[in-house]
Amino acid sequence: EVQLVESGGGLVKPGGSLRLSCAASGFIFKKAWLTWVRQAPGRGLEWVGHSKSATDGGTADYAAPVKGRFTISRDDSKNTVYLQMNSLKTEDTAVYYCTKDRYGEPIHEWGQGTVVTVSS
Amino acid sequence: QLVLTQSPSASASLGASVKLTCTLSSEHSRYAIAWHQQQPEKGPRYLMKVNDDGSHEKGDGIPDRFSGSSSGAERYLTITSLQSEDEADYYCQTWGSDIRVFGGGTKLTVL
Repeated sequence: EVQLVESGGGLVKPGGSLRLSCAASGFIFKKAWLTWVRQAPGRGLEWVGHSKSATDGGTADYAAPVKGRFTISRDDSKNTVYLQMNSLKTEDTAVYYCTKDRYGEPIHEWGQGTVVTVSS
Repeated sequence: QLVLTQSPSASASLGASVKLTCTLSSEHSRYAIAWHQQQPEKGPRYLMKVNDDGSHEKGDGIPDRFSGSSSGAERYLTITSLQSEDEADYYCQTWGSDIRVFGGGTKLTVL
């Protein structure tokens, strides 16, 4: 059974930083693309960025609103992907979901989400 | 620009059928999409992938009441024999080599 378990959410002041983690199991982690998706209160789903598998280049891509502030990294030895969020803004307040997909395929699996609140 | 367009809301009666639409930007009309369901106060779950030829591949445990189809740049999700638990937000999603895109979502009300 595929499991994606996010952690690290919380309350942070504007301008602050937070690191989210997503521990994965039930699939071959190193072959997967891990994608972060967020949902602001009362809003729809928004792609944040993804980490490609090493065989597909191992790089990360980001949505325009977070580019330069957020960094996605992964540790294939720990089956874990991270989302480092810096220079946080109030508009980054959302539930952050860790998801699994791969090259040429849609998101197939979702974590339960972790809540990030950016407020003074 | 890769864009998905969905109607904000839809409604249908208990036991009836409903067809939700997701429209791709015209230059991306051959793209496949996925449908995801988000029930109230829950996280999303993957329903199916719909290809441009109308074929679809459902996720594990998705009931036969759910099916997908295509016509041109439009991708559809049809739900038959509507049940109360089908009341949810439905999102379409597509992808490129360096991007993922979501539609704005359709809120389905079961009357």
